[in-house]
Amino acid sequence: AQTVTQSQPEMSVQEAETVTLSCTYDTSESDYYLFWYKQPPSRQMILVIRQEAYKQQNATENRFSVNFQKAAKSFSLKISDSQLGDAAMYFCAYRQTQGGSEKLVFGKGTKLTVNP
Amino acid sequence: DTGVSQDPRHKITKRGQNVTFRCDPISEHNRLYWYRQTLGQGPEFLTYFQNEAQLEKSRLLSDRFSAERPKGSFSTLEIQRTEQGDSAMYLCASSSPLSGDEQYFGPGTRLTVT
Repeated sequence: AQTVTQSQPEMSVQEAETVTLSCTYDTSESDYYLFWYKQPPSRQMILVIRQEAYKQQNATENRFSVNFQKAAKSFSLKISDSQLGDAAMYFCAYRQTQGGSEKLVFGKGTKLTVNP
Repeated sequence: DTGVSQDPRHKITKRGQNVTFRCDPISEHNRLYWYRQTLGQGPEFLTYFQNEAQLEKSRLLSDRFSAERPKGSFSTLEIQRTEQGDSAMYLCASSSPLSGDEQYFGPGTRLTVT
């Protein structure tokens, strides 16, 4: 079974600084998707960024970028120029592409605090 | 698009009672998912529908849980004979292959079993 591990329960960053959130996963599949979701306090979960495993190029979305290391099964999220609105729980998630399963497998999350 | 909506947002019930939650997906999203999230944990998959067909169920979905999507639009999740361990946030998400199959989440229903 696939598993996703986020080893940092909490992280903090100063406003305008850069922070990196870690994620590792375990799978025997060669093709899959990886995601970072953001869940602000008392608000719904939103997709931050998505990476297809077959793509070597790291995904970027404005201030958010990933470092995808397929051989190491590592998928970290870098947030540049952190803003107060980035404060939230961040979840790393995995989804396979073959075999018909559409479920997302989530890590336990990292709580990000942004200090003014 | 109004997004995924869930009703109710909060539910307090006594142990042993039955509860039912509703999820309205983004219109024209043919795929609908239910997840459960307990405090300090990431969401855990419960079940998945494509149109009205329930295609996948987690082992977490005991026989006290049942989900339906009768017309391929909204879905209901019913928990019978609730237990304190059922207290959690129940999240619904929807997706469509036409929009990259990205799952869009609703605000969730927070269940408290006393």
